[in-house]
Amino acid sequence: GIQVEQSPPDLILQEGANSTLRCNFSDSVNNLQWFHQNPWGQLINLFYIPSGTKQNGRLSATTVATERYSLLYISSSQTTDSGVYFCAVERLIQGAQKLVFGQGTRLTINP
Amino acid sequence: KAGVTQTPRYLIKTRGQQVTLSCSPISGHRSVSWYQQTPGQGLQFLFEYFSETQRNKGNFPGRFSGRQFSNSRSEMNVSTLELGDSALYLCASSLVAPSRVPHNEQFFGPGTRLTVL
Repeated sequence: GIQVEQSPPDLILQEGANSTLRCNFSDSVNNLQWFHQNPWGQLINLFYIPSGTKQNGRLSATTVATERYSLLYISSSQTTDSGVYFCAVERLIQGAQKLVFGQGTRLTINP
Repeated sequence: KAGVTQTPRYLIKTRGQQVTLSCSPISGHRSVSWYQQTPGQGLQFLFEYFSETQRNKGNFPGRFSGRQFSNSRSEMNVSTLELGDSALYLCASSLVAPSRVPHNEQFFGPGTRLTVL
């Protein structure tokens, strides 16, 4: 099946720093979403980005579908940005579209 | 518009018992998908329901089952609980069935954290 790899697995930064999270996928996909999982477990939608670039405040994302990767940029990090970031790709598997998650990047922002 | 809601938020059960979890999708959404999250396996797809029918199923044993009601609310049931079933169970809703229509954004609920002792 399709492989989704996120890097780095862990990232520790000081408040105010910028960061780039990467998501590589092994095959063509129909859709890609980025999520932030907060300390209470909820997955918060960040971007729905099958291709191109989107920005939302301090966050932006770029997906290059032809090269099978997506990047999530966080600028001027705040402690509330801490948590696990997941990318998930949608792929036709056995006749049905399925959402496949990467293992996540754990981001820790220290004050 | 209210988000996806899940009840209960926390649950403690013992081996051999059964459990039922509930998910109410965003108003107007007709599809509900369920995922299991564990530290070792990450986020894994359980099943997807649309219009009261299971449309898609992951690789989980038959102890895991679900259903969807006419108001799109969904329940999942796990029978004969095992220690390894301890996990965060997340449900996601989308407007239409992700299994049939690509480019379909999914929105997640807060999850139910199940502990099996």
